[in-house]
Amino acid sequence: EDQVTQSPEALRLQEGESSSLNCSYTVSGLRGLFWYRQDPGKGPEFLFTLYSAGEEKEKERLKATLTKKESFLHITAPKPEDSATYLCAVQDWTSGSRLTFGEGTQLTVNP
Amino acid sequence: DGGITQSPKYLFRKEGQNVTLSCEQNLNHDAMYWYRQDPGQGLRLIYYSQIVNDFQKGDIAEGYSVSREKKESFPLTVTSAQKNPTAFYLCASSISGGVRNEQFFGPGTRLTVL
Repeated sequence: EDQVTQSPEALRLQEGESSSLNCSYTVSGLRGLFWYRQDPGKGPEFLFTLYSAGEEKEKERLKATLTKKESFLHITAPKPEDSATYLCAVQDWTSGSRLTFGEGTQLTVNP
Repeated sequence: DGGITQSPKYLFRKEGQNVTLSCEQNLNHDAMYWYRQDPGQGLRLIYYSQIVNDFQKGDIAEGYSVSREKKESFPLTVTSAQKNPTAFYLCASSISGGVRNEQFFGPGTRLTVL
């Protein structure tokens, strides 16, 4: 059974204070690891897909990295508009197109 | 614009009633999904469909039913058998079987049982 654990549950940063969110996973064979951003009362917004260890992807102030056991979402010089819940999900080769989600990290960036 | 629409945005149900949540997509995706999200929790899969006229149970299918008669539509019925239906319901779609198979989400329906 696939498992995803995200830490910390909540993170408060000052504007400009860089940090990282962690996603640890257990899968039988990783097909893809996905990062989403979710604003309150909205549906998740797709950010990145990572497919193999060592892969990195960037978008504005966000950078996602992947190892064989975990993924990090690095936030560089965050702004208040980066405040949201960040969700991590995995897909393995035996589960078809199903995703298994972690519980998310709620990020608050104070001005 | 291509995307996923869900309706209604808010839904109130009396105990013992069945209600149906709508999900439509114009992305030409084969696969569609229904998730439930409770406060402070991640998404849990209710049902999914990878092709028209076929669907599979997810992790929490009890008390729910679905149909997939058209590629664009995947309605979810919350039956009176669902013991605790108050939650935020999210519909998603994706390409089925491709290399890039990220799921894209609709805006959600918040269901409250009175």
